[in-house]
Amino acid sequence: DAGITQSPRYKITETGRQVTLMCHQTWSHSYMFWYRQDLGHGLRLIYYSAAADITDKGEVPDGYVVSRSKTENFPLTLESATRSQTSVYFCASSEYGASDSPLHFGNGTRLTVT
Amino acid sequence: KNQVEQSPQSLIILEGKNCTLQCNYTVSPFSNLRWYKQDTGRGPVSLTIMTFSENTKSNGRYTATLDADTKQSSLHITASQLSDSASYICVVTSRGEGGGADGLTFGKGTHLIIQP
Repeated sequence: DAGITQSPRYKITETGRQVTLMCHQTWSHSYMFWYRQDLGHGLRLIYYSAAADITDKGEVPDGYVVSRSKTENFPLTLESATRSQTSVYFCASSEYGASDSPLHFGNGTRLTVT
Repeated sequence: KNQVEQSPQSLIILEGKNCTLQCNYTVSPFSNLRWYKQDTGRGPVSLTIMTFSENTKSNGRYTATLDADTKQSSLHITASQLSDSASYICVVTSRGEGGGADGLTFGKGTHLIIQP
């Protein structure tokens, strides 16, 4: 089925560990995004990508790394997890860019850092 | 600074009743406004988009309005159903702010609960 899938759905990790959240889309959308959602803050942009091998920082990029070697995949890595990175992470894609076409979100990864 | 304020923060209504959610924004220059529905444990899904020239747009039992002069939008839900229980997020786009992502300003959402 076409869509955007995130894995894992839930993840518990310890402070200081590296963890990678996966995102895969089957639409061949050019743009992909990573957001985090926290109570009281709404959705905040971490990183986005306009095409393979092109990435750019969003509002809250510190402590995160992304890569996009293939159009369909956009993994997010927390290099050394901290408790403040406990959150729900959403990956999204759009055909022409978030300004011109709707965002299509995955169902999120709930990450807990202990 | 661009901002989007939504009200109320949460709302509880009985099944079958109507309700209206509000979105006020201070985003400039304005390009468009989208309403998203987010079910519990799921990602947001786009309901509708409002551009500068549109005042009203319907999508089934959902009707969105836009007043670009007062910078306000509303989402009206008619004859609510249990499946309408969700968070509703208002997202305003500012033209020319960046490469397709920086121009979005998210509201914090209204959490709607429909009681049987």
